[in-house]
Amino acid sequence: EIVLTQSPATLSLSPGERATLSCRASQSVRNYLAWYQQKPGQAPRLLIYDVSNRATGIPARFSGSGSGTDFTLTISSLEPEDFAVYYCHQRSDWPLTFGGGTKVEIK
Amino acid sequence: EVQLLESGGGLVQSGGSLRLSCAVSAFTYAMSWVRQPPGKGLEWVSSISATGDSTYYADSVKGRFTISRDTSKSTMYLQMNSLRAEDTAVYFCARAFHIATYGTFDIWGRGTMVTVSS
Repeated sequence: EIVLTQSPATLSLSPGERATLSCRASQSVRNYLAWYQQKPGQAPRLLIYDVSNRATGIPARFSGSGSGTDFTLTISSLEPEDFAVYYCHQRSDWPLTFGGGTKVEIK
Repeated sequence: EVQLLESGGGLVQSGGSLRLSCAVSAFTYAMSWVRQPPGKGLEWVSSISATGDSTYYADSVKGRFTISRDTSKSTMYLQMNSLRAEDTAVYFCARAFHIATYGTFDIWGRGTMVTVSS
């Protein structure tokens, strides 16, 4: 099983600041890495697929990068609506897996 | 706009069964179930191909859960047997973002809560 480790667990930032979230895989996931945003009481929303492609309707302040086993989600300037939990996810191999999540909270 | 709507959740005793349904307005992609225990992260449960010919399961549910789809009803199902307390979660159905893949989910339902009492 490919284990995805996200860090940090919690990120305390102010609106307007840059957020950098990390996802490390226990083995290569090729480029099959996605990122989701989840707010309380809601379903996850796809932000980024295949490392760096923004999903439909996702603002340009969200970007993804990385390769192999190390990946990053960057939010260039936090908006109030961006405070949420973020999960990475791999579809490179069965079983499909998710990281444990990073909570981006208001400082 | 494609929409997913889950139903069938509820309270059940340990060892009992439930069947979840997911109504899909456009039914041509692989589909999956993903669950989220209260206050915890996301866990993939099971996936089924667009044709229904191929199915996949997490080890934690293999042998107890069965995924299926009825194309005539545009509905996916998750039959859950021998339920355990650790199966307590919100269950989401989700659609693969591309016709040629299973994972990476671009459309999600709102979820249905399953509570297993011990």
